[in-house]
Amino acid sequence: DQQVKQNSPSLSVQEGRISILNCDYTNSMFDYFLWYKKYPAEGPTFLISISSIKDKNEDGRFTVFLNKSAKHLSLHIVPSQPGDSAVYFCAASAPGNQFYFGTGTSLTVIP
Amino acid sequence: NAGVMQNPRHLVRRRGQEARLRCSPMKGHSHVYWYRQLPEEGLKFMVYLQKENIIDESGMPKERFSAEFPKEGPSILRIQQVVRGDSAAYFCASSPGQGALGYGYTFGSGTRLTVV
Repeated sequence: DQQVKQNSPSLSVQEGRISILNCDYTNSMFDYFLWYKKYPAEGPTFLISISSIKDKNEDGRFTVFLNKSAKHLSLHIVPSQPGDSAVYFCAASAPGNQFYFGTGTSLTVIP
Repeated sequence: NAGVMQNPRHLVRRRGQEARLRCSPMKGHSHVYWYRQLPEEGLKFMVYLQKENIIDESGMPKERFSAEFPKEGPSILRIQQVVRGDSAAYFCASSPGQGALGYGYTFGSGTRLTVV
């Protein structure tokens, strides 16, 4: 049972434009959400987080939006850069519980 | 991913052999998590350990798989009598506490297991 879903396996964006990666979840108990970035042959690295008390968190070019009623979060990258090309995973956790990951979205930023 | 060390990076085993994957958490981290990434799938939780204790093994297959995190030394994920379906990337993550808020986990670079 996939509690966290990333329905777009891949996304291509021109350099300088906005990248929007989406993530949906089913468990209403999830209260903490993360985005990870993964390059080939490396482990995931933390990118940005958001807790359920907020609906937006911004860190430089990266902004995460949370819509609790829709059980949906998204990651916006603007402007997109070629170095952003990677696989992006969203992850969610309920209090005192482990993280559940989505299947990832492969982002390609075209120079 | 500096800090969480996994070895080996690549491991090839014949069907029926045993695979041992090692994970040394970041200094100061006492919580270790193992995840498996099968081809074309996301990271799937396997087990959560603290020193000498298994906290949550709800993601571990019931047979052939075991994990430990002894008082001294790295965490070990052991797969006995490997089968082709065990071929995957196995990632270890550590945190100073349960899901360290603000930073999540720190992941290692993974061990890619190939069963031939």
